[in-house]
Formats: sequence, C-alpha cells, structure tokens
Amino acid sequence: QKEVEQDPGPLSVPEGAIVSLNCTYSNSAFQYFMWYRQYSRKGPELLMYTYSSGNKEDGRFTAQVDKSSKYISLFIRDSQPSDSATYLCAMRNFGNEKLTFGTGTRLTIIP
Amino acid sequence: GAGVSQSPRYKVTKRGQDVALRCDPISGHVSLYWYRQALGQGPEFLTYFNYEAQQDKSGLPNDRFSAERPEGSISTLTIQRTEQRDSAMYRCASSLIGDEGESTEAFFGQGTRLTVV
Repeated sequence: QKEVEQDPGPLSVPEGAIVSLNCTYSNSAFQYFMWYRQYSRKGPELLMYTYSSGNKEDGRFTAQVDKSSKYISLFIRDSQPSDSATYLCAMRNFGNEKLTFGTGTRLTIIP
Repeated sequence: GAGVSQSPRYKVTKRGQDVALRCDPISGHVSLYWYRQALGQGPEFLTYFNYEAQQDKSGLPNDRFSAERPEGSISTLTIQRTEQRDSAMYRCASSLIGDEGESTEAFFGQGTRLTVV
C-alpha cells in the first residue's frame, strides 16, 4: 500500500463548476500538506501549503486537512479552462524535508 | 537566477554509460532536493541537501546513484552504469529555510528527461 493514495482520474468538469480533489494517507506522522499544480511538460508549482488540520483559502482555492481521517482535499471554485492540469498532493513529517507525493489527478475544465 | 535551472533538458545515453545531471538552484536557497518522476506518477524523493551537507539519501535506488553539492549551490546527480529502468524525468527543487528551521515552499525546475537506450 502506498503512503499517499490519489485517484489519477482523468476528471473532466464544465467551466464554472466546483472541483473537488482528494488524497488519503496512511502515515500519521505527516504534519505538512501541500497541493501542487503541474502543467504539461512543466515542473510542479505550489498552490497551497497547510500545517496540521484545518482549512486554508486562497482566492478560488480551498485546502482542507482532516488528520483524524487522514484525508486532505482541494476545492477549486468557478473553475476555468486555465485550471486544466495535473494536481498533486504532497506531504511530509515535521523535521523531515522529504516530500511524499500522490500520483496526481489529471483535471480538464471544458469551456 | 530567476528559477531552478537544470541541464541538460534532454539526455539520451547508451546502457552502461555514466551520466551527470546538473541543478542550479534559486540564488540564496539553502535546501536542494532531487526527485525522479515517471510518466503519470508523482515525483519520488531521491535525496536532499542543506547547504553542502547531504541530509537524506534514503531515496537513492542503489549505489549507482550519487549526488553532491560541494559548495552549497550547484548540485550534480550522477548515475553510473546506466540501465534502461533509469529512464525518467529527474527533477531538482530548492527552498529557503524559514525562521522555525523548517523548509519553505519548494520551487521545482523543468527537469532533465533521461532516456537510456
């Protein structure tokens, strides 16, 4: 079993819809949770960074962490065609810089 | 520089040859990481440095893989006696260390696509 599980998709939604992306994990020591966006032929870029449980909002993006369920989510409101990309969740322990990534979910926003 | 720079962008090598992949981190970034990303997968950790010190090399697959960062800036990932299974995108990332001693956002380079034939 992988430490981080993520549905690879692909996921297609119409423009303007709310998108929900999720990851589950097995390592209870993970404290830092991140979402990266990766466009085709590009490196991952950080979207959201949260520490421990709770919600964090940044514009159209909201990240949620539920440590009791070992479950994290990324919500995208008012989705745009430019949001079409692969979304990767990543997480790490306190004091350990090694990031463990999910496989990524390929998202397409249909105009 | 403006971002993390990796060279070469593409490398094709024959099985059994050694290759060296270079990473030039963002100026001033203390931490430097190497990841490997297979097609359709997330990046897989290989190793990381703080300054010139290699802090964790637990992700290096075997002793054919090594990395160095002698002056705490540019890093080289070397693969000896390459095999076809080494073919992948190799990505470098760098970050600052925040006030609490934890790394801040990691910025990734565009990667080196290695193909072993």
